[in-house]
Amino acid sequence: EVQLVESGGGLVKPGGSLRLSCAASGFTFSSYSMNWVRQAPGKGLEWVSSISSSSSYIYYADSVKGRFTISRDNAKNSLYLQMNSLRAEDTAVYYCAREVRTMIVDWGQGTLVTVSS
Amino acid sequence: QSALTQPASVSGSPGQSITISCTGTSSDVGGYNYVSWYQQHPGKAPKLMIYEVSNRPSGVPDRFSGSKSGNTASLTISGLQAEDEADYYCSSYTSSSTPLYVFGTGTKVTVL
Repeated sequence: EVQLVESGGGLVKPGGSLRLSCAASGFTFSSYSMNWVRQAPGKGLEWVSSISSSSSYIYYADSVKGRFTISRDNAKNSLYLQMNSLRAEDTAVYYCAREVRTMIVDWGQGTLVTVSS
Repeated sequence: QSALTQPASVSGSPGQSITISCTGTSSDVGGYNYVSWYQQHPGKAPKLMIYEVSNRPSGVPDRFSGSKSGNTASLTISGLQAEDEADYYCSSYTSSSTPLYVFGTGTKVTVL
């Protein structure tokens, strides 16, 4: 069974930083591209970033480019999202998600990031 | 690139059929057969219901079906049940690297 468990969310002040982690199990992590998708309170889903299986290809939404950095450690079956210069509009539940053949298939339970003074 | 357009809400009585539309452009929905549909209950993570326009993952009831015509994809729920009440989102791979995926605006399905 595929399991994706996010951690690292919390309350941070505007301009601050936070690092999210996602622990993956139940599949060969090193064979799949991974994504971060977020959902602001009461709003829809927004794709944030994607990283290929070997980290060769990395993509970001324009809204986070230059502020967020996605990375992975295949030896630790882990995905990360380093978030800097956080803004109020970054407040959301952040989901770790597995990609299969250009579709997002599996989702974690999410971790809440709140940016507020 | 804007979000895909979905109706804000759709409702139906138990046993009825409903259809949710998802309109994009030739750069996303119309350009690829990589349209997915997700069901999300309150406080829960999204769940994949349809992939590659019309395929159901194992375990998804066959009352859920998907189709596409031009730049518009559709999700049909036949024989609506109480547990189908949830938010539904479509998604498509895009021709751009940003965003790589675009989601729909979301549709609240209410079972009357």
